[in-house]
Amino acid sequence: DGGITQSPKYLFRKEGQNVTLSCEQNLNHDAMYWYRQDPGQGLRLIYYSQIVNDFQKGDIAEGYSVSREKKESFPLTVTSAQKNPTAFYLCASSDGGAQPQHFGDGTRLSIL
Amino acid sequence: DQQVKQNSPSLSVQEGRISILNCDYTNSMFDYFLWYKKYPAEGPTFLISISSIKDKNEDGRFTVFLNKSAKHLSLHIVPSQPGDSAVYFCAARWGSSASKIIFGSGTRLSIRP
Repeated sequence: DGGITQSPKYLFRKEGQNVTLSCEQNLNHDAMYWYRQDPGQGLRLIYYSQIVNDFQKGDIAEGYSVSREKKESFPLTVTSAQKNPTAFYLCASSDGGAQPQHFGDGTRLSIL
Repeated sequence: DQQVKQNSPSLSVQEGRISILNCDYTNSMFDYFLWYKKYPAEGPTFLISISSIKDKNEDGRFTVFLNKSAKHLSLHIVPSQPGDSAVYFCAARWGSSASKIIFGSGTRLSIRP
């Protein structure tokens, strides 16, 4: 069954720690994206990658880092530099261009 | 500055009636618009889209209308069903890069019996 898998569903982080959110897709999509959703707001783009070994910053990249070593995988690291990391994080993929994105079920990150 | 606005955070509609969800935008460069539906604890799923060269697109019970002069689009669901209860996000894009997609804040639709 093709789709996007995000893990874990819930994640807790201590102050000052980095944490990595996983995103894997088996849709053979070239492009992958990370969004952040806060209450009462739309999805905001953190990073995106249109091809392996290449990625670009989105609107709110500060305090985040990504890698794209494999087509299927696009992990997001929330670093200690991100001052307000508590949010719902969504990963998406697409064939690129005009194609709509497919989303994972998200990871909710909370600070202890 | 929100370029895509969904001014109604919630909407309640009786089952069988029409649901109308509204979305306004400010950037005249947007050339493609999408609606996504999101259930709790799941990611958004693509519902329907419309290009700026059209003013209407229909897919079963779902119809999206685009009024470019008013910079307004709406999603009509007829008839509304209990399974339509979800959060609906409007999104707008310019160019072919998905990096240029802007999402609205969503409208929670509740279908009551």
